[in-house]
Amino acid sequence: DTGVSQNPRHKITKRGQNVTFRCDPISEHNRLYWYRQTLGQGPEFLTYFQNEAQLEKSRLLSDRFSAERPKGSFSTLEIQRTEQGDSAMYLCASLRSVGTGVGNEQFFGPGTRLTVL
Amino acid sequence: QKEVEQNSGPLSVPEGAIASLNCTYSDRGSQSFFWYRQYSGKSPELIMFIYSNGDKEDGRFTAQLNKASQYVSLLIRDSQPSDSATYLCAVNWAGANSKLTFGKGITLSVRP
Repeated sequence: DTGVSQNPRHKITKRGQNVTFRCDPISEHNRLYWYRQTLGQGPEFLTYFQNEAQLEKSRLLSDRFSAERPKGSFSTLEIQRTEQGDSAMYLCASLRSVGTGVGNEQFFGPGTRLTVL
Repeated sequence: QKEVEQNSGPLSVPEGAIASLNCTYSDRGSQSFFWYRQYSGKSPELIMFIYSNGDKEDGRFTAQLNKASQYVSLLIRDSQPSDSATYLCAVNWAGANSKLTFGKGITLSVRP
């Protein structure tokens, strides 16, 4: 257990429905990252927050995706009008940004596995 | 060339052997390199990171970095069946705000 929690762990939904995932990072970690992982691939970066500010979004993050981190604590990732291609493991990671960033270690939560029928 | 490549695999070694996992990367002023282990259906678990040329050892694991040749490797000594997993190489590019770019992983199987 890394101290990063994610809920729900599994989500099955029908195409066209909206889903929301939550990530609770390690409390003293100021940075929070979202990744998506499909079968047989490594995780792909989606977006990240420094405290409550969303500082970068990947091209993978279409306008159906939105993420928030109110008050710089937990974060939510919402997918609107889900598509079958959204089926994946959604991973959250946090770190405490120190100095130049060399060796900044990211710790992953258990992930939320989304299945879109 | 893809940014982070892990082309060798799957890999099978007998228990007690040394497993060698390789990763190559594009030259983009890369900064830090990470090895994660991922069991089936689970999330990645950090094994170790390296950012200086040479070797870094942690228990049965040794990470090796060669920036001139643009590769990073992970050696697992005295491999155990519990080491059977997918090993992900990840790079934190300079100026990338610590976001990680991952390879697709190498699946290791340790035969009892």
